Amino acid sequence: NAGVTQTPKFQVLKTGQSMTLQCAQDMNHNSMYWYRQDPGMGLRLIYYSASEGTTDKGEVPNGYNVSRLNKREFSLRLESAAPSQTSVYFCASAPGLQNTGELFFGEGSRLTVL
Amino acid sequence: GENVEQHPSTLSVQEGDSAVIKCTYSDSASNYFPWYKQELGKGPQLIIDIRSNVGEKKDQRIAVTLNKTAKHFSLHITETQPEDSAVYFCAARRPFRTSGGSYIPTFGRGTSLIVHP
Repeated sequence: NAGVTQTPKFQVLKTGQSMTLQCAQDMNHNSMYWYRQDPGMGLRLIYYSASEGTTDKGEVPNGYNVSRLNKREFSLRLESAAPSQTSVYFCASAPGLQNTGELFFGEGSRLTVL
Repeated sequence: GENVEQHPSTLSVQEGDSAVIKCTYSDSASNYFPWYKQELGKGPQLIIDIRSNVGEKKDQRIAVTLNKTAKHFSLHITETQPEDSAVYFCAARRPFRTSGGSYIPTFGRGTSLIVHP
């Protein structure tokens, strides 16, 4: 059981380049989330998808776009990367917003923007 | 929106000692308080949670206490071991479909726990 799988695990970009982080879950969860983790800042929500076909902004959405491709997959796109987007990105999933249960996290994608 | 403060940011203890991490929250409607452990190079993983209808919950060496009146909750780890070394995050969440705020968990900034052998 893979859980939440993120690709790539590491990526180096130059300022202005674009890229997409991929996330897939195999737990039949309805809700999916993208967080970024920066030193001393904890986990900050970028975007989330309550269910297939819906997406909503989180705390720090500027510079990002998302696509809920199907129930399993939720991608995060950086259209024009900036050094401020250097971070570790985590995808997470949960059964649904109405469940006050745990979030299941992937292992993270470390992005460096030069 | 919800604001979760977590202290300390770093905690260093000797093996066998106890460790306490404290969090405060601002939204009185929050009713679910999970704690996550993040080992080096991994994603956070839930270790214990508490809901607002109880004041304390234990699971072997870890326990969580909640004071709703004061809006704070704490993680207690007894008899610490080197494998407890990790970053710990607290979070708070309000009930689904309550108005006036998000029902996505809000996380604290994390505590780096170091257990020295």
